[in-house]
Amino acid sequence: GAGVSQSPSNKVTEKGKDVELRCDPISGHTALYWYRQSLGQGLEFLIYFQGNSAPDKSGLPSDRFSAERTGGSVSTLTIQRTQQEDSAVYLCASSPRQGAVTEAFFGQGTRLTVV
Amino acid sequence: GDSVTQMEGPVTLSEEAFLTINCTYTATGYPSLFWYVQYPGEGLQLLLKATKADDKGSNKGFEATYRKETTSFHLEKGSVQVSDSAVYFCALSVNQGGKLIFGQGTELSVKP
Repeated sequence: GAGVSQSPSNKVTEKGKDVELRCDPISGHTALYWYRQSLGQGLEFLIYFQGNSAPDKSGLPSDRFSAERTGGSVSTLTIQRTQQEDSAVYLCASSPRQGAVTEAFFGQGTRLTVV
Repeated sequence: GDSVTQMEGPVTLSEEAFLTINCTYTATGYPSLFWYVQYPGEGLQLLLKATKADDKGSNKGFEATYRKETTSFHLEKGSVQVSDSAVYFCALSVNQGGKLIFGQGTELSVKP
């Protein structure tokens, strides 16, 4: 595709429900990132996939959060038993080729509201 | 751990004013440094970058110089325009291809 695509663009869910957020990176990009942007806050790193390496999960805030990347392409971020503090914009980004300093291309984000 | 600290916003300037947004970093390795911009209603996009000490990144009239001695990467523009109103994020990446760590963002509002 032309850019990083995220779906849904908006998601409203009830507290305690599970949600899945999807990211389609730019074709051929080996690196994929998930970030969380809360109102008035910066970009909080969540997880980073790079090629076939084990993902860097050091930013996941709790064991309710998990992510996978299938076939080195599409990624899904899952939040189980959602809480109101999970409300935020979840951003996905991808970067081309490993081992080079290149820019990350961001999607438009998924705005998650937990009520 | 690795981190980025930016000056707090919002910053409000008149058109044609000089802009400085301060950014300092802490890194265990030898980072590459970036400025990203988020215009209203749009996604984040790379504004400029620098990969080694004393490098100057520049784009759209914005500049930032990688200062290893002060661990800083301050963003400057000599004459801002209304269209520069956006949120600006400083970021670093340690090790080539490593994860990006962002600062908290600085909102800039330019008035005509």
